[in-house]
Amino acid sequence: KAGVTQTPRYLIKTRGQQVTLSCSPISGHRSVSWYQQTPGQGLQFLFEYFSETQRNKGNFPGRFSGRQFSNSRSEMNVSTLELGDSALYLCASSWQKSTDNEQFFGPGTRLTVL
Amino acid sequence: AQSVAQPEDQVNVAEGNPLTVKCTYSVSGNPYLFWYVQYPNRGLQFLLKYITGDNLVKGSYGFEAEFNKSQTSFHLKKPSALVSDSALYFCAVRDTGGFKTIFGAGTRLFVKA
Repeated sequence: KAGVTQTPRYLIKTRGQQVTLSCSPISGHRSVSWYQQTPGQGLQFLFEYFSETQRNKGNFPGRFSGRQFSNSRSEMNVSTLELGDSALYLCASSWQKSTDNEQFFGPGTRLTVL
Repeated sequence: AQSVAQPEDQVNVAEGNPLTVKCTYSVSGNPYLFWYVQYPNRGLQFLLKYITGDNLVKGSYGFEAEFNKSQTSFHLKKPSALVSDSALYFCAVRDTGGFKTIFGAGTRLFVKA
């Protein structure tokens, strides 16, 4: 079974631009979460989707948004990029609706904002 | 609000010696606790979880963790460390009512040959 895939793997943008990152979960997984990983802040929760519905959202500004499609694939968008948005963005999927399932992580998208 | 603390930024241990990576948590209600490992330039990999039942949980690669409700701890252990265990380890907590996983800051494990 293929793992979680994220595209692109690397991205370089300039301040003020916007970016869209994509995540394809493991087949059959309906829950997708997004995290931002930086050396200083560690892993910060962005949002979680299940069956196209956002179930929870972290403490990030409205510039960060996401969505999930009917095939469970998910995208996150960051508008008006800032230097501080440079990070590794990780997507994770899990199987069931319940909250006790472990998550399976993709390799991440490394975003660099210049 | 739920939180996770990993008090050690780095743990150094000699190969063959036992290792412990510490984690304490705070959550309302019963917690779901997880350990993940991250190797360089890769995403996180699941090691083990505690949901309910036996306080000693066994996971992948010979790792185990002990849930201690009174001390609100969930320390990761391995009886005999390998050089290949060197990586970044994350403890995580998820409360039973929410849909958000909170990760600790991570502990870098360095196993010396």
